[in-house]
Amino acid sequence: DTAVSQTPKYLVTQMGNDKSIKCEQNLGHDTMYWYKQDSKKFLKIMFSYNNKELIINETVPNRFSPKSPDKAHLNLHINSLELGDSAVYFCASSHTTGGAGELFFGEGSRLTVL
Amino acid sequence: DQQVKQNSPSLSVQEGRISILNCDYTNSMFDYFLWYKKYPAEGPTFLISISSIKDKNEDGRFTVFLNKSAKHLSLHIVPSQPGDSAVYFCAPFSQGAQKLVFGQGTRLTINP
Repeated sequence: DTAVSQTPKYLVTQMGNDKSIKCEQNLGHDTMYWYKQDSKKFLKIMFSYNNKELIINETVPNRFSPKSPDKAHLNLHINSLELGDSAVYFCASSHTTGGAGELFFGEGSRLTVL
Repeated sequence: DQQVKQNSPSLSVQEGRISILNCDYTNSMFDYFLWYKKYPAEGPTFLISISSIKDKNEDGRFTVFLNKSAKHLSLHIVPSQPGDSAVYFCAPFSQGAQKLVFGQGTRLTINP
């Protein structure tokens, strides 16, 4: 039973399209995150939500919009996709803010923009 | 602005020997230092961590050492096993900023 699940796992699309990646966690955690792993393999935080409230919003283009319908879900919607958006996007969750940084990650969603 | 650096992109070690992975950081405000392990096509998984008030934490074959004055930490794996072959990320955590900051990883290969 997957703890943090993301869909789709692979996504290939054309520039200019709009796409969404969904994330769900069944761990009962109240904080969820989106990380981006770029071509240089750095994992960088994009957003975090605690109980549906936005906590962290790093310097990310406003074409990226996270949505948290409840604390078990954090979806990522991307408008007007660009070539530079090609990356692996990881969703993660943790028990609470103020913890010691132990995050549980999903398997990643590889986005390729052509 | 790279706060966390893992200067060795890859490391190859013989099975049974010690693997030592290094990490340097610049921010003195980190509260915890974590190591994550990542296999291909999977997400990173938590391996071991250390509080900023300690200098050593051991868990089975894994030991993490922290040298705060040098802003350096290392992960020791002994004895190394083939299943340890993976990418290892150093990831300091700031409770104030509420985020993990990842290094770019070191690919460890354990040779039989």
